[in-house]
Amino acid sequence: DTAVSQTPKYLVTQMGNDKSIKCEQNLGHDTMYWYKQDSKKFLKIMFSYNNKELIINETVPNRFSPKSPDKAHLNLHINSLELGDSAVYFCASSQDVGLAGERYNEQFFGPGTRLTVL
Amino acid sequence: RKEVEQDPGPFNVPEGATVAFNCTYSNSASQSFFWYRQDCRKEPKLLMSVYSSGNEDGRFTAQLNRASQYISLLIRDSKLSDSATYLCVVLGGRRALTFGSGTRLQVQP
Repeated sequence: DTAVSQTPKYLVTQMGNDKSIKCEQNLGHDTMYWYKQDSKKFLKIMFSYNNKELIINETVPNRFSPKSPDKAHLNLHINSLELGDSAVYFCASSQDVGLAGERYNEQFFGPGTRLTVL
Repeated sequence: RKEVEQDPGPFNVPEGATVAFNCTYSNSASQSFFWYRQDCRKEPKLLMSVYSSGNEDGRFTAQLNRASQYISLLIRDSKLSDSATYLCVVLGGRRALTFGSGTRLQVQP
């Protein structure tokens, strides 16, 4: 019944490896996001997709590539992992616009993926 | 200057105390404002939205001052279960949330 789920929950890997984090939401939302929370607990937007289309792409190294196979999924692939990539990555979703054109603002977050690069 | 600034705390208060958190934001075009709560090693969860007229939800009261670009959260009659990090959050034009670094609250028995 989890609304926004992420796998894996923990990911420990060596520098230079390539890894993916998966995110799925079963809320029927049309917008999904990836956020990074660093060691200082600062949460920052990385990407946002609306109906499978990229709408936000912050200043993130191009080693990070989001992929949205459908509205319910937004995966994050990271190439050539570096020590500084160690962080907690949160996926989130929201319903950007309702049936009557009303706007919603609440974003629902997944449980996070704790990535440690050794 | 950070887009959203908060005092990191920690605020250590006894049960039953009233505690207030403040936050300032730099982008005057910001559209919506929220307080999220994040427990240790958990995801952020929406606590309440913040409206210009001020809004209350039980023991929690949120206020927004657009002229001063200032947001506040007041918690009355603090409970042990209120211990968490409180994140001030601003929604910009691109529908992305900008988070403050959070204020940690520790309610003590």
